[in-house]
Amino acid sequence: AQSVSQHNHHVILSEAASLELGCNYSYGGTVNLFWYVQYPGQHLQLLLKYFSGDPLVKGIKGFEAEFIKSKFSFNLRKPSVQWSDTAEYFCAVMASGTYKYIFGTGTRLKVLA
Amino acid sequence: GAVVSQHPSWVICKSGTSVKIECRSLDFQATTMFWYRQFPKQSLMLMATSNEGSKATYEQGVEKDKFLINHASLTLSTLTVTSAHPEDSSFYICSASSEFNEQFFGPGTRLTVL
Repeated sequence: AQSVSQHNHHVILSEAASLELGCNYSYGGTVNLFWYVQYPGQHLQLLLKYFSGDPLVKGIKGFEAEFIKSKFSFNLRKPSVQWSDTAEYFCAVMASGTYKYIFGTGTRLKVLA
Repeated sequence: GAVVSQHPSWVICKSGTSVKIECRSLDFQATTMFWYRQFPKQSLMLMATSNEGSKATYEQGVEKDKFLINHASLTLSTLTVTSAHPEDSSFYICSASSEFNEQFFGPGTRLTVL
């Protein structure tokens, strides 16, 4: 069965620190990959997505992610976090052609001012 | 573009009553809609997938008689929680997809069953 793992459940950083959140999936076929952010009390917002092409994807708010097919990974990065990045981050994988997302368990990020 | 709305945003009901939640794609036609459930501090769990004009496909462990899904048009899907009980209290989120292989999420509906 397909699964998505986010190993960091809680991350606390100071402002200006660099961020990397891990996402690994188990599926042997072609996948589409997503990172979503959920700010407190708000709905899911798409940060970035990967369908094909350049494995380094740039998203909104300075976030980027790199798809490493050999490692089944799609880690999210940001060089310098801000207090406003405090939120929960979800990685999602969709097997190509299925339309179904499998979500990771989420990573709760807290940025200290 | 690609806006999905949900109504109501929150609802409180008594145990044993039924609650209907609407999900609308406002500016695109959604061939497929999804319903998720999110418990506090947990991830989204897919409940069911629905295609316009056909029966919903439920995930394992989801009671289809309790969570009735109707996808009557390309812009509207409804989730009815029948005979709701306190354990059904949760955050219900819908999403909609067209042919672009991406889901667009609604803002969610918080259901509290007393």
